[in-house]
Amino acid sequence: TQLLEQSPQFLSIQEGENLTVYCNSSSVFSSLQWYRQEPGEGPVLLVTVVTGGEVKKLKRLTFQFGDARKDSSLHITAAQPGDTGLYLCAGHMVEYGNKLVFGAGTILRVKS
Amino acid sequence: ETGVTQTPRHLVMGMTNKKSLKCEQHLGHNAMYWYKQSAKKPLELMFVYSLEERVENNSVPSRFSPECPNSSHLFLHLHTLQPEDSALYLCASSQVSASSYNSPLHFGNGTRLTVT
Repeated sequence: TQLLEQSPQFLSIQEGENLTVYCNSSSVFSSLQWYRQEPGEGPVLLVTVVTGGEVKKLKRLTFQFGDARKDSSLHITAAQPGDTGLYLCAGHMVEYGNKLVFGAGTILRVKS
Repeated sequence: ETGVTQTPRHLVMGMTNKKSLKCEQHLGHNAMYWYKQSAKKPLELMFVYSLEERVENNSVPSRFSPECPNSSHLFLHLHTLQPEDSALYLCASSQVSASSYNSPLHFGNGTRLTVT
């Protein structure tokens, strides 16, 4: 079993639709990061969340950190083809000395 | 040139070959990392160098040998690999300190390795 589970594994939607992807664990994170990776490129940081219940917005992307700091979600409003990519969450796990652990990612495909 | 640069972008090698992957960062960071990315699996941390000293080695087989000659360069030497070692190998850098353990990673675009 993975320390950090992401769901869904794959999502294919039409341009203009809204979507939410999730990142869950049974362990507490001191902080959590979301990255996006486009084909042929490395992951690029989107946001870091630190405080339980924190909400951050990045244009059409809304990131939320769970109150207990064990989970996070990424909501995209009116998805665009340019949002296509692999979305990775990565958390610094308290019980592992703040070691950074990655999820397996959600592959998002937005069709025009 | 800025950011993190990895070469080559693609590499095909036989199981008896010796090759090296190269990574260079132009961000002035003090830590560099090698990750392995396989389909449908989480990124696997292989090695971490901080201030040019290896601080983490996650039970990686000895056929992978890292080298960090200075804070800007990182190599991964490959020898007698297996087909299951085929993957995307990502280099990353970050600026770490006692007060900022959660500094973001800056990744290169990776080397796509195929072992035949």
